[in-house]
Amino acid sequence: QQQVKQSPQSLIVQKGGISIINCAYENTAFDYFPWYQQFPGKGPALLIAIRPDVSEKKEGRFTISFNKSAKQFSLHIMDSQPGDSATYFCAASMYGDYKLSFGAGTTVTVRA
Amino acid sequence: NAGVTQTPKFRILKIGQSMTLQCTQDMNHNYMYWYRQDPGMGLKLIYYSVGAGITDKGEVPNGYNVSRSTTEDFPLRLELAAPSQTSVYFCASSRTSANTGELFFGEGSRLTVL
Repeated sequence: QQQVKQSPQSLIVQKGGISIINCAYENTAFDYFPWYQQFPGKGPALLIAIRPDVSEKKEGRFTISFNKSAKQFSLHIMDSQPGDSATYFCAASMYGDYKLSFGAGTTVTVRA
Repeated sequence: NAGVTQTPKFRILKIGQSMTLQCTQDMNHNYMYWYRQDPGMGLKLIYYSVGAGITDKGEVPNGYNVSRSTTEDFPLRLELAAPSQTSVYFCASSRTSANTGELFFGEGSRLTVL
């Protein structure tokens, strides 16, 4: 049973466009929501993370939006570049837990 | 500046064979993890360790075993390999628990069981 549901499975965006990936969760005890980026043949790497006490966090062209009441969070990639082509995973964890629960992943392709 | 190192990168096994995937980290992290990645399924936790001598099961531990005799090493043992264990395996480590800190992943080990 997937504790974090991620959509879409894949998306294609033109260079300069906006990529949006959505995640939803059921466990209200989750209090840490990171996003990981994975390039082909590599391991995932932390991209950006948020806690529920803020509704938005921005780092460069990457923004997490968090809606606690809807139990949803999303990643926005502004001005998408070909170098952003990768698989993105949302994840969640709760206080006292040692592990992350990952979403199924979204493969983003940015066309030049 | 090695980080998390996994070996081998690729391996083909026959059904019923056994093998060990090696993982070592040079960051002196207490927490270490083994995940498997299957297409469309994300990353599933197999086993984790919070320090030398301490290991615990994750979501999908059946068919696997681990040990943690040192801070640096966290090998994953596959006994009696089955086609369902065909996957990409990632080892990761973190300085603090996953709830508070960043996981650092290795580059993965691609295993095929035929």
